[in-house]
Amino acid sequence: QITLKESGPTLVKPTQTLTLTCTFSGFSLSSSGVAVGWIRQPPGKALEWLALLYWDDNERYSPSLKSRLTITKGTSKSQVVLTLTNVDPVDTATYYCAHRSTTVAGAFDYWGQGTLVVVSS
Amino acid sequence: SYELTQPLSVSVALGQTARITCEENNIGSKNVHWYQQKPGQAPVLVIYKDNNRPSGIPERFSASNSGNTATLTIHRAQDGDEADYYCQVWDRLTGVFGGGTKLTVL
Repeated sequence: QITLKESGPTLVKPTQTLTLTCTFSGFSLSSSGVAVGWIRQPPGKALEWLALLYWDDNERYSPSLKSRLTITKGTSKSQVVLTLTNVDPVDTATYYCAHRSTTVAGAFDYWGQGTLVVVSS
Repeated sequence: SYELTQPLSVSVALGQTARITCEENNIGSKNVHWYQQKPGQAPVLVIYKDNNRPSGIPERFSASNSGNTATLTIHRAQDGDEADYYCQVWDRLTGVFGGGTKLTVL
C-alpha cells in the first residue's frame, strides 16, 4: 500500500526559503521507473507541476520556477525534499507530493493529502 | 510552451453523459492522464495513457485522444462525480496540467 505525506512550515515570510518533505511508504525510489513529483495548487486555482525526482537521481523542473527549485532525496530513503527559494505571496498554495510510475505510463497514481503553505509577512 | 486548454465548467443532467475536453496542438501524439479532485481533497487518477482506468475507477469513466483534442467521458453521471477534472501530459520531460474543468451534475 503506497502512501505519501507532506510536511513543512505552514507560514513562511517573503524572501525566505521554503523546505518541504515528502515521506512515503510502500515503494522504493530505487526501483527502476519510479519517481516522486511535487505539484502545487494556489487557493481556488489549477494544479501546477513543479519538479520530479527519478529513481536514478535525475531531476526535472518547471521551466518557470527552475531557478528557485531544488528536489533531492532526504536523509531517509523514504523521503524527498523540495526547496523553493525567495518565496513570494504568489507561492501561497497547497503543495502535494505524488508517486509516478511507468506502470501507469508516467501518471501520478498516488498523492499525498497536501500541505497548505501561506507566504505572508 | 505547451499549454492544455479545458473549459472552465461543464454541466450534465443526472444520469446523462458528460464530456470534458482538453486541447492542444497535436495532443494526440502524447499520453494524456485525467485526474478528479473533489473539494478539500487531493487529486485522484481516473484515466491514464489516454483510456486506461486504474483499479477502483468505474467503467463509466472513459476517454479518447486524437488530433488536437483529448476527451474525458463520464457515462450515467452521478452526484458523486461532481468535481474538478484536470488533464495532464508530459512535454519534453516537463509536466503540464490543464486549467481544470468544474463538472456540475444537475
